[in-house]
Amino acid sequence: QSALTQPPSASGSPGQSVTISCTGTSSDVGAYTYVSWYQQHPGKAPKVIIYEVIKRPSGVPDRFSGSKSGNTASLTVSGLQVEDEADYYCSSYAGSNNLWVFGGGTKLTVL
Amino acid sequence: QVQLVESGGGLVKPGGSLKLSCAASGFSFSDYYMTWIRQAPGKGLEWVSYIGTDGYSTYYADSVKGRFTISRDNAKNSLYLQMNSLRAGDTAVYYCAKTRPTIGGWFDPWGQGTLVTVSS
Repeated sequence: QSALTQPPSASGSPGQSVTISCTGTSSDVGAYTYVSWYQQHPGKAPKVIIYEVIKRPSGVPDRFSGSKSGNTASLTVSGLQVEDEADYYCSSYAGSNNLWVFGGGTKLTVL
Repeated sequence: QVQLVESGGGLVKPGGSLKLSCAASGFSFSDYYMTWIRQAPGKGLEWVSYIGTDGYSTYYADSVKGRFTISRDNAKNSLYLQMNSLRAGDTAVYYCAKTRPTIGGWFDPWGQGTLVTVSS
């Protein structure tokens, strides 16, 4: 069982927006502004798309945005495109022993 | 450009050992934390271990503590993961990732991964 809870699946049509949630606890997501999101296409390594809750690495389209409220972080993908179909994982710094925790992943389908 | 190339994976019997390597290039390796993350077949990501820039600060997931040892050789731009007492549950693709050298740093980029299969 993953430390952070994500919905197993999400879907949307091209052009629509979809939001994926990531729920942790007051010891991880709620305690730090160190939530990151990773996109993984089949057979490929994960790639960071959001870090420190809201920041986007250069080269990542501004269609991807992050937010956080309390113990829940969210990733919103606006203007869905076919190439956005992938697995998405959230991660949070958790301090102390297990430094980082991941969510179980959400499979995003673009219908 | 930044490149991370893992090697050393393979088939090993339960109780056996394996040492993974990660060759880094395209950045100042000694200035960055490094992390191992694994993904069991068809499953999600699991943080495994972290090492600081000087190699003295190391952390492990509870699931591997006491069995795995992370190390680095800054002169060789290389990261390692010594895995002992391997179990079936350790079967996974193991990724190394360059880690931003700040508290809570993120993982960017990741290598292509190396598959470790623990089976009799």
